[in-house]
Amino acid sequence: AQKVTQAQTEISVVEKEDVTLDCVYETRDTTYYLFWYKQPPSGELVFLIRRNSFDEQNEISGRYSWNFQKSTSSFNFTITASQVVDSAVYFCALSESRGGNTPLVFGKGTRLSVIA
Amino acid sequence: DSGVTQTPKHLITATGQRVTLRCSPRSGDLSVYWYQQSLDQGLQFLIQYYNGEERAKGNILERFSAQQFPDLHSELNLSSLELGDSALYFCASSTGGREPSYEQYFGPGTRLTVT
Repeated sequence: AQKVTQAQTEISVVEKEDVTLDCVYETRDTTYYLFWYKQPPSGELVFLIRRNSFDEQNEISGRYSWNFQKSTSSFNFTITASQVVDSAVYFCALSESRGGNTPLVFGKGTRLSVIA
Repeated sequence: DSGVTQTPKHLITATGQRVTLRCSPRSGDLSVYWYQQSLDQGLQFLIQYYNGEERAKGNILERFSAQQFPDLHSELNLSSLELGDSALYFCASSTGGREPSYEQYFGPGTRLTVT
């Protein structure tokens, strides 16, 4: 069975600090996909990134970066120079391949508070 | 704006009642997913439809049902409502055409309160 664990329930940082959100996953599939979604206080779920299991290259998008390590089954998300607008709940998710279009298994989420 | 629309935004109803939540996927998307977000259970997958047919089932109660219509919009029906059904219900869509798609784009959600 697939499982996603986000051990950090809540994190609080001061603006401009760097913060890393941890995500550990379990799956028996050899091909799978990992995702991060952001849920701001307004409630919608915003897609941030998708990674497939064959691509362990780290990705950077502006202040956001992701570190995928298959050896430790982790897909961590770092926000550099955090801003108040980054305050949100962040979810890590996993889906099996099966040709795409498969349901997501979500972690419990990490609530990030960035204080000015 | 993800392009996925959900109505209504808020719904307040009493125990034992039945409600219908509606979702319109992004233009061209064939797959629709329903998820429930509650404080104790987190985000859970309920059911998926692909081009009108049920594709996958998750932790969906027997009191809940869904369908996807020929115009690809979907409805989630919740009946015999209980207090524990109070939650945020999300609809998501992905393409599912010849090219497989893995990202799901979520609607704004319907917040259901059962009193």
